[in-house]
Amino acid sequence: EAGVVQSPRYKIIEKKQPVAFWCNPISGHNTLYWYLQNLGQGPELLIRYENEEAVDDSQLPKDRFSAERLKGVDSTLKIQPAELGDSAVYLCASSLGGTSGELFFGEGSRLTVL
Amino acid sequence: GQSLEQPSEVTAVEGAIVQINCTYQTSGFYGLSWYQQHDGGAPTFLSYNALDGLEETGRFSSFLSRSDSYGYLLLQELQMKDSASYFCAVRDWVDSSYKLIFGSGTRLLVRP
Repeated sequence: EAGVVQSPRYKIIEKKQPVAFWCNPISGHNTLYWYLQNLGQGPELLIRYENEEAVDDSQLPKDRFSAERLKGVDSTLKIQPAELGDSAVYLCASSLGGTSGELFFGEGSRLTVL
Repeated sequence: GQSLEQPSEVTAVEGAIVQINCTYQTSGFYGLSWYQQHDGGAPTFLSYNALDGLEETGRFSSFLSRSDSYGYLLLQELQMKDSASYFCAVRDWVDSSYKLIFGSGTRLLVRP
């Protein structure tokens, strides 16, 4: 069974440019998460989807970040315009929901903003 | 708010046993998870404790004491491949929604 797939793995852009990350979750997982991870830190939740609905986007900086999950499967996270402080790894994860606390993570998209 | 505390680094010898502690403060605690992450890799799930006690999975065990807001991950028979970062994460009920909140991680170095 394929895991969570993310692309691109690496992206280097100049500040003020836009960038987008794509995530394909594990088949059948209705819950999808986007996390941000800075070097030496734990993942921080940006947004959580239940199917197509964003049920928790309280930590998403909505002035420059946006996300969508059309048809309740793939998801895209966009930053426009990017700032130097956005340099980080953007992790996508999925789960069946439930109560196990088990998330399946992709390998992440590493963003460098110059 | 929520907070988690875990040591930033731990060093141990191959074949030894190491314990990584995690203390937490949350408003609506449901359970404690542990994840392993190798450099440049994805976090991978190790264990989840919702009730007090010890859960064992092979060389790894995880413990939870809800009354003490404390848990630990125990790694036995350490192998070089266990060198990685280990994150505790609390499953919390906040603002009518579940959240999984991660600690800052403990970097484990296993020496020969």
